[in-house]
Amino acid sequence: DGGITQSPKYLFRKEGQNVTLSCEQNLNHDAMYWYRQDPGQGLRLIYYSQIVNDFQKGDIAEGYSVSREKKESFPLTVTSAQKNPTAFYLCASSIYGTGLYEQYFGPGTRLTVT
Amino acid sequence: KQEVTQIPAALSVPEGENLVLNCSFTDSAIYNLQWFRQDPGKGLTSLLLIQSSQREQTSGRLNASLDKSSGRSTLYIAASQPGDSATYLCAVRQETSGSRLTFGEGTQLTVNP
Repeated sequence: DGGITQSPKYLFRKEGQNVTLSCEQNLNHDAMYWYRQDPGQGLRLIYYSQIVNDFQKGDIAEGYSVSREKKESFPLTVTSAQKNPTAFYLCASSIYGTGLYEQYFGPGTRLTVT
Repeated sequence: KQEVTQIPAALSVPEGENLVLNCSFTDSAIYNLQWFRQDPGKGLTSLLLIQSSQREQTSGRLNASLDKSSGRSTLYIAASQPGDSATYLCAVRQETSGSRLTFGEGTQLTVNP
């Protein structure tokens, strides 16, 4: 089955700890994205990568970091500098270069920091 | 800066009703617009994508229209069913933003049996 996997589904951390969320895709997509969703709100872009070894900040990158060492993988680290890390995190991917760039989403990771 | 607005924020209808969800955007220089469905606690499922050169797209009971010049899109759901209950989000891709999407806050739809 082609798709996007995110793990774990639920994640609990103590304040002050860094935590890494996993995102893997087997769609052979060039571009990958990380979004944050808070209750009752739309999605806000954290980081995105259109090619391996390159990534750009989105609208709310402060307190987050990413890497893109492989085409299939785009892990997100939520650092202790992120003031309000508790949220639902969604990873997506799309073709990049020419075409529709239709984005496909993973199932999400719900992070709770106490 | 592009802003995307969805009205209403929540909608409750009886089963069988036809309904329209609205999406508006402030900058008409878009490449395409995508409608998604999100079930509680789940990821997003792409429903329809409309290119800026298109007027509408259809998939089953869903029909999405786009009026780029006025900055509006509608998602029409025919003969609604309880299984249609979900949050519906629209997102636009700017001509100048590469592959990035800007999302609205969504419309939470409840279809009552």
